[in-house]
Amino acid sequence: AQSVTQLGSHVSVSEGALVLLRCNYSSSVPPYLFWYVQYPNQGLQLLLKYTSAATLVKGINGFEAEFKKSETSFHLTKPSAHMSDAAEYFCAVGGGRSSASKIIFGSGTRLSIRP
Amino acid sequence: GAGVSQSPSNKVTEKGKDVELRCDPISGHTALYWYRQSLGQGLEFLIYFQGNSAPDKSGLPSDRFSAERTGGSVSTLTIQRTQQEDSAVYLCASSPRGGAGNTIYFGEGSWLTVV
Repeated sequence: AQSVTQLGSHVSVSEGALVLLRCNYSSSVPPYLFWYVQYPNQGLQLLLKYTSAATLVKGINGFEAEFKKSETSFHLTKPSAHMSDAAEYFCAVGGGRSSASKIIFGSGTRLSIRP
Repeated sequence: GAGVSQSPSNKVTEKGKDVELRCDPISGHTALYWYRQSLGQGLEFLIYFQGNSAPDKSGLPSDRFSAERTGGSVSTLTIQRTQQEDSAVYLCASSPRGGAGNTIYFGEGSWLTVV
């Protein structure tokens, strides 16, 4: 079984500041890991995903995440926040290589950007 | 259509009534998910269909909830005897193949309000 925990339901940063959204996972098998973003009044879209290739994954809009097995973490970062980054961000985990394996999401972190 | 299509987009129903929510996945996608998004609860997994395999129903919250997928394409989520706690956005997603390593594509959701 797998699960994911997002630390902080709401994060607020100033425009131009570092964005750090935390995600820890639990999986009994090597995981696949994802970050999805939901902009206001829009559907969820993929930001980036880890599939056991490079541990540092780059996504859209300048975001990246690093897979750290020893810490069971997959934190999302962006060096400089932009007002357009205000959204809800969801971390997700999938375990196993079987077609029966499903994807489980965390509770989400709402990111606010202060001018 | 090009994306995952869900209907209705909004549904208000009286407590105790049955509701049906429909999902048209992206053409050719063999995997289909239903999630529920409630305020502060993140994305709760409900059910997962993959090809002709038996669906993973492990996330359905009670026996009032059921889902089917006809012909490997359209899916219907049925909630019987609705309760106020069923109020949420119900999200459908599809993926080209089964398995947890594949990107899933979300619909816009069906917003259910039980009064």
